This record gives sequence, structure tokens and C-alpha cells, in this order.
Amino acid sequence: IAGITQAPTSQILAAGRRMTLRCTQDMRHNAMYWYRQDLGLGLRLIHYSNTAGTTGKGEVPDGYSVSRANTDDFPLTLASAVPSQTSVYFCASSQGPRETQYFGPGTRLLVL
Amino acid sequence: AQSVTQLGSHVSVSEGALVLLRCNYSSSVPPYLFWYVQYPNQGLQLLLKYTSAATLVKGINGFEAEFKKSETSFHLTKPSAHMSDAAEYFCAVSASGGSYIPTFGRGTSLIVHP
Repeated sequence: IAGITQAPTSQILAAGRRMTLRCTQDMRHNAMYWYRQDLGLGLRLIHYSNTAGTTGKGEVPDGYSVSRANTDDFPLTLASAVPSQTSVYFCASSQGPRETQYFGPGTRLLVL
Repeated sequence: AQSVTQLGSHVSVSEGALVLLRCNYSSSVPPYLFWYVQYPNQGLQLLLKYTSAATLVKGINGFEAEFKKSETSFHLTKPSAHMSDAAEYFCAVSASGGSYIPTFGRGTSLIVHP
């Protein structure tokens, strides 16, 4: 069982470029989440999905979009990257919002 | 609204000493509380969680936490630190009456000296 996989592992991106971070889970969890982790700020929720076909905005959604076409996949898109989006991005899933979250290994993104 | 405060961005202990990581929460409804650990270059993994059953919760690797409603606290402890405990620790609260999505604290880095 792989759990949650994220791709790419790391990426250097020019400002203004479009980028999609991929996230796939094989646990058939209903809920999925995207967080960014920045030094001193902890984890901040970008977007979430409580079930396939629905999404919601988190604490820091500006500049990001998500889709949830099926249970397993939850891609995060940066339409036009800016340097302030340099961060480590974590995808997570859980059976429900109050259940244990399972995290992927993260994607390290540098926007120049 | 819900929030969580972790006191101390860094905690330094000697190997074999008591570990105490502090977490205080704010919520308008009975909370679920979590402690997660993050080892270098990895994602987070659950240490333990409180779901309104026993107030003393035991987790993996010898860690435990006690829910104290009167103090709105959920501090994490371990009697004897190991070098392998060096990591980032995050407290999270799930309490909002709407989505119940957890809010994470800013994390505490545990440093263990030989």
C-alpha cells in the first residue's frame, strides 16, 4: 500500500509559469487537503475536498486552484507562479475531517 | 472559531530527560485534538489523538498527552528523550461546528542533546 504519493518531489519554476502538483491516494479516503509549510508559520491549509466532486477554500487559497474529479486524485494548480509561492507543499487525506490525516512526502517548490 | 498555540518554537533537552511540548487550544465546541510528528524531509504522521474519551491519551514511541479542559491545554510528554525523538511536532485542533477541518499550530522543534 503506497498511501499518498506526490509528484514532483521538487521543482524549480520561473515566475509566471503554470504548474500542477499531483497527489494520489489509494486508501479510498473521502477527504483530501493541500497545505503549504513555511518556516515559522507551520502548516496552512490552501484548499480541501470533503468528497469527490466538491472543493473548498482554506486559509491561503489565492493563486491556487484544485479539482476533485474522483476519489483518488487531488491536483493543485498554480496558474501563474510568483516567488511568494516558494514553499513545501503537502497533500493529505482522511476518512473524514475529524479523522487522522495521512500525509504525502511533500513537494519542494522554488519560484524564481 | 478554533485556534491552537504551541508555546516555544524550539525545545532543547538532554537524552534521557523529560520531554514537555506545550499546546493550548481555543474552541467553541468540544474539540478533537491531535499531535503529529515530522521527521526531516518527511510528511507528518500521527502521534496520538484525543476524541473525548479518556483524558490521558497514549501514543506511539512512548509519548502521551493529557486533555485538560479547565486549562484548554493538550501538552505532549515523554518521560525519557531519545536522540531519535528529534523532530518537528505539531498540535492540531478540530472543533469548528462547520467543516471540522483541523487547524495546525506553528510547530515546535525538539532538539535532543547527547
